[in-house]
Formats: sequence, C-alpha cells, structure tokens
Amino acid sequence: GENVEQHPSTLSVQEGDSAVIKCTYSDSASNYFPWYKQELGKGPQLIIDIRSNVGEKKDQRIAVTLNKTAKHFSLHITETQPEDSAVYFCAARPTGGGNKLTFGTGTQLKVEL
Amino acid sequence: GAVVSQHPSRVICKSGTSVKIECRSLDFQATTMFWYRQFPKQSLMLMATSNEGSKATYEQGVEKDKFLINHASLTLSTLTVTSAHPEDSSFYICSASGGSGLPPSYGYTFGSGTRLTVV
Repeated sequence: GENVEQHPSTLSVQEGDSAVIKCTYSDSASNYFPWYKQELGKGPQLIIDIRSNVGEKKDQRIAVTLNKTAKHFSLHITETQPEDSAVYFCAARPTGGGNKLTFGTGTQLKVEL
Repeated sequence: GAVVSQHPSRVICKSGTSVKIECRSLDFQATTMFWYRQFPKQSLMLMATSNEGSKATYEQGVEKDKFLINHASLTLSTLTVTSAHPEDSSFYICSASGGSGLPPSYGYTFGSGTRLTVV
C-alpha cells in the first residue's frame, strides 16, 4: 500500500521567514495530495491541495509543489506568522484505494516572534 | 464551504459503558465517511470507511464489534465505542467525502474531533 514520509518532524522559524515541509510517497499511481493544518484539540483543516496533473499551486502565502518523477511534494509557507504555528500533515491518495488518504507523520511548526 | 459537525467534542465515560459519536455533513451529501483515531503527537490512523447504506470496511487490526459504525443517511454517520476501556481513550475524528457537488469529489472535510476519556 501507499507509504508517506514527512520531514521534518519539528520546525522552528522566526516570524517573517519561510517554512518548507517535504513529503515523499511510494505509490506512483497516487493522484491527489492535500495538506492539512491541525491546531491543538481540533480536527485537520485543508489548507491547500494539488492533483497529479499539476506541478505547482499557490494560494497567497502558501504553495505546494509536486515532483511526480521523484514522488515527492512540498509545502511552502512564506512570511510566516505566529498563527501559522500548528501541526501540518501531508497526505496522498492512491488510485484504487477506495478514496482513502494515507497521511504523513506530521510536522510541528513553531513560528517564533 | 463544506462543513462537518462532530459531537460531542469531549466525553468522559466509565469503563464498560458505550459512547456514541456523531458526524453530520451540514451542506453536502457525504457519500463516504472515514473514521480516524489519533493518539497524542501522532498522525491520523484510519479505522474504517463507510459508504451510505453499506456496511463499513474496517482497517486491519480494528475490531468491528467494538467500534460500530452506522452510515444510514447521506448526512449522518455514527461511531459507537462499545464496552469502552481506558485504552480506548483517544481523539476520534470523522471525515466526509462527497461524490458530487460540495466538496469536490476528490476533497475531504474533517470534523472537529471528539476527545474520549475512559475512566
């Protein structure tokens, strides 16, 4: 089945700096890659997603890039703010997997003043 | 946008009792519901997948008789933890996926989670 690895597990940046979180996946047939932000005690919230027919997608300060050949995708957050502090999860959806998502292990992002 | 309402947000129950968690899609028809379990500082672990009107499909290692899932309508799914024990204490999260309309067929909307504590 699909296996998703996520790095780093913790990331600390200064306010205003950029943050990059990377994920790799194993199933080359995966076709959908969402990123979620989870705040303490809450459910995950979708922040951006990308499909396998697109290489990059941007939404204001957030961008995701996908390299299908290398089977990795990354989340880029620019001009970080303290409210960006949370746990971020990447996920991949393999085709033929019953629409199930496979999640990465999560990255604790801390934006320091 | 797509909203999934999950209740209760927190519940404390005595060992041996059962607890029901509800997940409702408020503005779209959820053809598929996913139920996850999350331990502190860990990722989401899929427990089961349910399609409206069908029996749930459980992931390997998840006891179907202990975690009863009902998806009787396109807007409501429930997870019942039967004969709960302290080791069942965890954060349970549902996720709804719509086949058409909101959210997009590829999308997933998560509930706010339920913190279950069994004493």
